Order: sequence, then C-alpha cells, then structure tokens
Amino acid sequence: GNSVTQMEGPVTLSEEAFLTINCTYTATGYPSLFWYVQYPGEGLQLLLKATKADDKGSNKGFEATYRKETTSFHLEKGSVQVSDSAVYFCALILTGGGNKLTFGTGTQLKVEL
Amino acid sequence: EAQVTQNPRYLITVTGKKLTVTCSQNMNHEYMSWYRQDPGLGLRQIYYSMNVEVTDKGDVPEGYKVSRKEKRNFPLILESPSPNQTSLYFCASSRDRGSSPLHFGNGTRLTVT
Repeated sequence: GNSVTQMEGPVTLSEEAFLTINCTYTATGYPSLFWYVQYPGEGLQLLLKATKADDKGSNKGFEATYRKETTSFHLEKGSVQVSDSAVYFCALILTGGGNKLTFGTGTQLKVEL
Repeated sequence: EAQVTQNPRYLITVTGKKLTVTCSQNMNHEYMSWYRQDPGLGLRQIYYSMNVEVTDKGDVPEGYKVSRKEKRNFPLILESPSPNQTSLYFCASSRDRGSSPLHFGNGTRLTVT
C-alpha cells in the first residue's frame, strides 16, 4: 500500500537556523506530494505541493523538491522564525485514487529565540 | 471568506450517547471527507464523499456514519460512541478528485468517557 514516513519530532531550532524535515514515500504509481502545516488549535493548511518528478514546490520561504529516484520530498527553509513553530505533515495522493490523502505522522517544529 | 466550518469545537460525552459533528463548506466543493488525528498515527480517513448522495469508507470507518444530502454539508455521526473514539476530528473539502488541495476545518476535539 501507499505510505509516508517522516522524521520523528520534536525538532527544536533557534531562530534563523536552517530547517530540514525529511519525508520519504512508498506508492504504486506516480503520486502528487504535499506539505501541510498545522498551527496550534487550527486545522491543516496546504503549505506547498509538487505534482511530478523534479518539480519544486515553494511557499513562505519553504521549499521541497519531488525526487523520484530517492522517493523523497524533504521540506527545507533557510532561516526559520518563531512563527514557523507548528506541526508539519507530508502527504501523497494518487491520481484516480479517490482524492484520499495518505499522511505521514507529522513532525513538530519548535523555534526558539 | 472561503471556509470549512465544524461544530462543536469541543465535545465531552459518555459511552453510548449518540452524537453528530456538523461540517459545512461554502466553496461549492464536490469532495468532502472526515479524518481523525491521533498521536503517533497522523491523520486517518474515516469516510469521504465524491458528491451528493455518494459516500464511501475510508481507512477507519468502524463506528461512524456519514450522510451527504446537500453539497455543502457532511455530518459525522457516532451512533454509540466508545472511549476509543476519543480523538481530534477534521472535516475537509476540495474542488474535485486528483491533486486539488484539501481545505480543512479547525477540528473537533471529542472525549468519550
């Protein structure tokens, strides 16, 4: 079946540090890949997406590149802020798969001053 | 403002007492779904609906019911709640199947004692 594996959290960083959250996937077929972010007390929001190999999704300073050869979609940001503290979810969807997102377990990010 | 609205935000109930969590979207989306979020498990899909009167089971449908009588509403029904249904529930909608992003509600935290 399809699955998404994320690095365990929490990840604690100082403000302006470089962020990487690893995400790898297993899928039958060619999925679209997503990063969602969940701020405290809120629902998930789409952060960025990539629909085919070598695509780079970007938003709010975050980036992730769809790597088919390594089945990965790692999230990066060059300089994190306290306001980036949230839980980040990697997810995939297969075209024709009924629009069911398969989520990773989430990675909590804490950014300190 | 485009949004998915869930009610209530918090609910404490006792085993066996039927309850309904409401979900409404104002974006004229065809696709709606329910997820539960549990620590260490990420988000798991309960039920989804591709359109009015069309619903189907997700990964963890046992103990839940849904209905889709109108396009905008997709209530989640627990006929006889049990403690293992204590969780954080999210409703989501999207324009169509495929890689359209999901829009999430703010969640309903349910406790069953």
